[in-house]
Amino acid sequence: DIQLTQSPSTLSASVGDRVAFTCRASQSSGRWVAWYQQKPGKAPKLLIYEASHLEDEVPSRFSGSGGGTEFTLTISNLQPEDFATYYCQQYDTYPYTFGLGTKLDIK
Amino acid sequence: EVQLVQSGAEVKKSGESLQISCRGSGYTFSNYWTVWLRQMPGKGLEWMGMIYPGDSDTRYNPSFQGQVTISVDKSISTTYLKWGSLKASDTAMYYCARFSKLVTTMSAVGYWGQGTLVIVSS
Repeated sequence: DIQLTQSPSTLSASVGDRVAFTCRASQSSGRWVAWYQQKPGKAPKLLIYEASHLEDEVPSRFSGSGGGTEFTLTISNLQPEDFATYYCQQYDTYPYTFGLGTKLDIK
Repeated sequence: EVQLVQSGAEVKKSGESLQISCRGSGYTFSNYWTVWLRQMPGKGLEWMGMIYPGDSDTRYNPSFQGQVTISVDKSISTTYLKWGSLKASDTAMYYCARFSKLVTTMSAVGYWGQGTLVIVSS
């Protein structure tokens, strides 16, 4: 299985900050990587697909980049509703796998 | 509007059987893979398996093969996740979800059910 390593595991930031999370794959996933946001007690929400494509109705302060084995999710101008846990997922090779997540909390 | 509505929370004992459900609406049910995922308490997401309602093609994550059964009833736009004999370690939130893209499995997961909490006591 492709292992996805997310870093950092926790990140503290303030409203208005710009933050970036990394997702490293144990082998190439091409551009078949998605990013999800999950808030406590809720289902995950798709933010980014195919590494850099913004899902409909997701604010443009979210962006994704990367390919191969290294991927980045960037959030600019953090808003209060952005404090959540973020997961990357690869859908290049079955079984599809997720990283362990990065928890973004308020500093 | 695409919706995936899951059955309610369950509290069971070890050794009991269980089937939970997920009903899709607002789209052509047969044309999109339905996925099942597990999230254990305080943990990340795990891909259990998926089914294509059009022809019932089912693919399991080897880690879950033999532990659960995924099935579908196209006539009522519903997929199922079944356990023959529950263990305490099956305690988790279970999500059904749907790929964003038609037919293909090379797709992110764009639509999610609300989750079904399963609690298994030993």
